[in-house]
Amino acid sequence: EVQLLESGGGLVQPGESLRLSCAASGFTFDNYAMSWVRQAPGKGLEWVANVGDSGATTYYADSVKGRFTISRDNSKNMVFLQMNSLRVEDTAVYYCAGGQWLVSPFDYWGQGTLVAVSS
Amino acid sequence: QSALTQPRSVSGSPGQSVTISCTGTSSDVANYNFVSWYQQYPGKAPKLMIYDVTKRPSGVPDRFSGSKSDKTASLTISGLQAEDEADYYCCSYAGSYTQVFGTGTKVTVL
Repeated sequence: EVQLLESGGGLVQPGESLRLSCAASGFTFDNYAMSWVRQAPGKGLEWVANVGDSGATTYYADSVKGRFTISRDNSKNMVFLQMNSLRVEDTAVYYCAGGQWLVSPFDYWGQGTLVAVSS
Repeated sequence: QSALTQPRSVSGSPGQSVTISCTGTSSDVANYNFVSWYQQYPGKAPKLMIYDVTKRPSGVPDRFSGSKSDKTASLTISGLQAEDEADYYCCSYAGSYTQVFGTGTKVTVL
């Protein structure tokens, strides 16, 4: 059974940092590109970032470029999202998602972790 | 990276068909056959329903179908059932290994 389990969410103040983790199991992790997708409270889905299967290539939405960094550790079947200089508008549930390639749809989804940015 | 445009809501009676539109630009929907659709229940993770414009993953009922014409993709649910009441999001590849989602549509079964 495929599982993606996010962790690391919480309440932080504007300008602070947070690191999200996603543990994967049940599929051949290093054959899949991985992404983070977020959903602000009561709002729609927003693609945030993705990383290729080897970890060598990363891409970001304009809204987070320069502040967020996606990475992966294939030896541990994990993907990470380092979030710096957090803003109130970054408040959202962050989902970890997997697709076979960087252009692929998201076959697998985690249950999400809530990040709240507030003073 | 502007969100694709979807109607806020659509509704239909059980057994009827509903169609959700998803309008993008020449930089995303019109330029690639990489449009997917996701179903999301409140408080739950999204689920892939359609990919590559028209393809259904294993296990998705054939009541769900997708199509595309120029800048607009569509999801049709035929033979609407109570369990189809959910939010639906389109998503398109937008070049340079980026993706863009639609604004989302709430489907109500009357």
